[in-house]
Amino acid sequence: DAKTTQPDSMESTEGETVHLPCSHATISGNEYIYWYRQVPLQGPEYVTHGLQQNTTNSMAFLAIASDRKSSTLILPHVSLRDAAVYHCILRGTGGNNKLTFGQGTVLSVIP
Amino acid sequence: GALVYQYPRRTICKSGTSMRMECQAVGFQATSVAWYRQSPQKTFELIALSTVNSAIKYEQNFTQEKFPISHPNLSFSSMTVLNAYLEDRGLYLCGANRDRNSDYTFGSGTRLLVI
Repeated sequence: DAKTTQPDSMESTEGETVHLPCSHATISGNEYIYWYRQVPLQGPEYVTHGLQQNTTNSMAFLAIASDRKSSTLILPHVSLRDAAVYHCILRGTGGNNKLTFGQGTVLSVIP
Repeated sequence: GALVYQYPRRTICKSGTSMRMECQAVGFQATSVAWYRQSPQKTFELIALSTVNSAIKYEQNFTQEKFPISHPNLSFSSMTVLNAYLEDRGLYLCGANRDRNSDYTFGSGTRLLVI
C-alpha cells in the first residue's frame, strides 16, 4: 500500500472548522483515500472515503486535490467529541482488501 | 447498523500461556475479518486478513503457529495468542467488512496484558 503522511498533532477550539491534511504523493490510480478516527478505549471508526471527487457526509467533508496527491479532511464546528486520532489510509480496489494504518494525527479540541 | 463486538474487553494472562479472543459481527455479513494489534505506543500492525472460503493471509512477522485464526461463518471469528509473552501485549482489534468495496467496521478491541 502506498504511504500517507500526516502531521503528528493538531489543536482546535470548540466550534471551529478543522482542516486535517494528508499527503499521498505516490497514490496509484485504483487507490481510494479512506479516513478513520479512533478515540481512547475504542476501535477505529469509519469517517469517509473518496476516489477523485470531493465527498461529504454527516461527519466530514473530504477535499481531494485534482492530482490526488493530497487530501484534506474538513470537520465543521468541532466539538469535544471530535477529539481523536485521525487516520488517512490508502486502500486498493484490487485483490488487496486490507487497511494499512499509519500513526495518524492526534486532534485535540479545547473547550 | 453494522456492529462488531469483541470479547473479552480485557484480559490478563501469565507469560507462556495462551489467550483466545472472539469477534462477532452483527447486522452484516463479515466476509472478511482483519485482525490487528495496536501496541502501547499506538502503532497498528495487521496480523492477518481472513476471508470466508479463502486462505487466511498472515502478514510478515505473524504466523498461524503463533496466532491461529478461525473464521467459520459470516458472523464470527476468533484468534488465539499462543504462548504469550510481554511483546504480545497490546490492544487486539477485529475489523470486518462485507466485501472489498465496503468500509471496515471495528470492534472495541481486546486488551491483552501479559504478566
